[in-house]
Amino acid sequence: EVQLVESGGGLVQPGESLKLACEASGFPFSGSSMHWVRQASGKGLEWVGRIRNEANSFATAYGASVKGRFTISRDDSQNTAYLQMNSLETEDTAIYYCTLPEGGGDSFKFNYWGQGTRVTVSS
Amino acid sequence: TQLTQSPSFLSASVGDRVTITCRASQGIGSALVWYQQKPGKAPKLLIYGASTLQSGVPSRFRGSGSGTDFTVTISSLQPEDFATYYCQQVKNYPLTFGGGTKVEIK
Repeated sequence: EVQLVESGGGLVQPGESLKLACEASGFPFSGSSMHWVRQASGKGLEWVGRIRNEANSFATAYGASVKGRFTISRDDSQNTAYLQMNSLETEDTAIYYCTLPEGGGDSFKFNYWGQGTRVTVSS
Repeated sequence: TQLTQSPSFLSASVGDRVTITCRASQGIGSALVWYQQKPGKAPKLLIYGASTLQSGVPSRFRGSGSGTDFTVTISSLQPEDFATYYCQQVKNYPLTFGGGTKVEIK
């Protein structure tokens, strides 16, 4: 059974940093790409970014609102993906989900999601 | 690629036929996914490839469209279908979601 468990959320002040983790199990993690999606309270879903597997050079991509501030990494020995968030802004307050994609091309989709971890940026 | 969902809010009764529209700012072929989200829960995959029903999703859900215009139709709304629905394009990075459609009980 696929399981994704996020951790590391909390309350931080604007300008501070936070690192989220997504521990995965139940599938071949090292061969998979991993994505992060966030959702502000009462708002819609926003794609944050992704990291590919080693065969794809661990390539990363980010949404415009986080590019240059957030970094996604992974530790395949620990089956864990990370989201390093720097220079946090109040607008980054959200629930952060990690997701495991399946399929390719037009069949690409997010079939598995973690339970989410809440990040609050406030002074 | 921007996705515009309509309506943003929909009030309907059990048994109603409901249609939600998602329009892309540029052609995305069939690279369109639909999710259902209930309060306090992660999104749930409903439809991918614009029209392929995810395993386990009831057949009252139907997705259609290609290019820039897509719809999801619920043929007979059930109590468990009251939720928020999102479309997502997976053709181009950055991946993007529509703004959501909240389906509430009339």
